[in-house]
Order: sequence, then C-alpha cells, then structure tokens
Amino acid sequence: DIVMTQSPLSLPVTPGEPASISCRSNQSLLHSNGFNYLDWYLQKPGQSPQLLIYVGSSRASGVPDRFSGSGSGTDFTLQISRVEAEDVGIYYCMQPLQIPYTFGQGTKLEIK
Amino acid sequence: QVELQESGPGLVRPSETLSLTCTVSSGSISSSTHYWAWIRQSPGKGLEWIGNIYYIGTTYYTPSLKSRVTISVDTSKNQFSLKLSSVTAADTAIYYCARRRAIYGCIDVWGKGTTVAVSS
Repeated sequence: DIVMTQSPLSLPVTPGEPASISCRSNQSLLHSNGFNYLDWYLQKPGQSPQLLIYVGSSRASGVPDRFSGSGSGTDFTLQISRVEAEDVGIYYCMQPLQIPYTFGQGTKLEIK
Repeated sequence: QVELQESGPGLVRPSETLSLTCTVSSGSISSSTHYWAWIRQSPGKGLEWIGNIYYIGTTYYTPSLKSRVTISVDTSKNQFSLKLSSVTAADTAIYYCARRRAIYGCIDVWGKGTTVAVSS
C-alpha cells in the first residue's frame, strides 16, 4: 500500500496569516498521463470531506483561490494564503493512483 | 448538483452482514465519467477506502476487505449498495458513499455519512 504522511498534525493559525500542510508518499504519485494523482480534502466540523485540490494543483469548482496545491512525485504541499475562520477543520491528502487508495492521517487546522 | 444519501441499519450484531444503500439524486448513476464508492471513517483508522463500482458492474475493492465486501449497482433505482460480511467491532465507523471521477480519480461528491455500530 502507498503510505501517506502528513505534517504537522495540528496547525494553530492566526486569521489572515498563511498556512502550509505537507503530504509525503512512500511511492511516486506520477501517473503515466503526466499528472500527479494527489488530492486534498477538507472535513469541516460535523461534515463529510469536501474536495479542495485534485491532481496536485487543480482547484475544485467553488474553492477560493487562497487555496493552492503544489508538488510532484512524493512531496506535496497545500497552502492557504490567508486563513479565514471558515477554514477550520481537518485537512486530508489522498492518493487515487493505486488500489487501495489511501489517505493521510489528517491535519487539524484551528484558529488561534 | 448530484446528491448522495446513505441508508441502512445503524446497529449490526457481530458476525452478521452490514448492508447499506446509497441513493443518487439529481444525476444518473449510469455516468460513463464516474465511479461510485464507499469510504469509511473510524477514530482508530481514519479514512479508509472500501471500494468502488462502475455503472456496468465493474468493481474494485481494497485488498484487506476484499474477502468480506460486495458492492453492487441497481441502475433502475439509481442506487448502489455495500455489503460487509462477518463484521466485528473494528467495523464500527461512519460510512460514506461518494462519487469518484474516472479521470484523475478524485472524489468530487460525498454523502453525509451514516454511523454504523457493531455491537451485541
């Protein structure tokens, strides 16, 4: 199985400040089509996860442009340029490249 | 906007079979561009992929659960289902149904989730 490792696991952030979450895989997530198969999801309190970023850097429909994804191969980053109160929740990375598809442990973002 | 709704018992006895159904609304399950998936979330194991199905019945299961899992589709009812046999307390979780894009593989629609407890 591909193991996904996120850091940090807890991320206190002041509103208006930037935030960054790392996700590393133990195998390359580069598909033969040239895309990196790495997604980012946000699970807000009491809700199901929602898609933020797919194939490493493409924002899903309706996702604010303060969210951006980068990286390739085995190292990926989710960045929030200016954190807002509504961004609190748990962020997960996921690889849909190889069965079984696997998730990171989650990073809990909280407002200071 | 496609919506997904899980339904089924909230309590299952150990060694019995967990059965859940996901109803797809505002869209067709017979989409050539999507798969239909089951994912679960428990405090101990986080988010865990169970498997998915294409509308023609092609299935993919996570190997660790493959011997106990069956996912099926009913296009006439716009539904797909999960059966997990021989359940134990370790199968207690929130179960989500979801839609996965065939291209790129991301999960673009999630159901609200249903909690299933395994207990006698």
